[in-house]
Amino acid sequence: DTGVSQDPRHKITKRGQNVTFRCDPISEHNRLYWYRQTLGQGPEFLTYFQNEAQLEKSRLLSDRFSAERPKGSFSTLEIQRTEQGDSAMYLCASSGRQGNNEKLFFGSGTQLSVL
Amino acid sequence: AQSVTQLDSQVPVFEEAPVELRCNYSSSVSVYLFWYVQYPNQGLQLLLKYLSGSTLVKGINGFEAEFNKSQTSFHLRKPSVHISDTAEYFCAVTPSGTYKYIFGTGTRLKVLA
Repeated sequence: DTGVSQDPRHKITKRGQNVTFRCDPISEHNRLYWYRQTLGQGPEFLTYFQNEAQLEKSRLLSDRFSAERPKGSFSTLEIQRTEQGDSAMYLCASSGRQGNNEKLFFGSGTQLSVL
Repeated sequence: AQSVTQLDSQVPVFEEAPVELRCNYSSSVSVYLFWYVQYPNQGLQLLLKYLSGSTLVKGINGFEAEFNKSQTSFHLRKPSVHISDTAEYFCAVTPSGTYKYIFGTGTRLKVLA
């Protein structure tokens, strides 16, 4: 079990640029989640996948955000035309199917700074 | 829609004292409840969960929580805290049968020597 890995750990970009983050879940996990966390706040739900299907997307998420999980393994989160308000920690989590599978395993996150 | 309220943003407590971190939720359907902990510079990890059955659930590091359906609460307790318990604690809820987890804003527990 190598855990959930996220890449990059940090990303600094200028306003208006596009950014893409990658998440590799635990290999046998079929569900994958994206959350956003700002300082002093809890993780805010963005979207989640079961296998390759995106089952739910937060209404708070603008059209500038898109996530994919093309083969049901790794996932990417793209933010187009970044804004300063997008600065946050982007967290990925996964969960599996064995037994009580509601435990989320979180990655260390990608810290995005938009200048 | 579901929501989670953690009224206490910060809780300072002396070492070896008991602590209770409060969590209230709102939902029109039955839910599963969780507490996650985030130690400084680390990712979130599960502390304990309530799915069904006994309303008192025990987790790691001596923590326990009690599900109270009538009060829609899931407070976290520890009878004697250690310095190493200093961390941010998040309550989370998901409607049973779905997998959308909603987190509270967190409570920062600071254990003082």
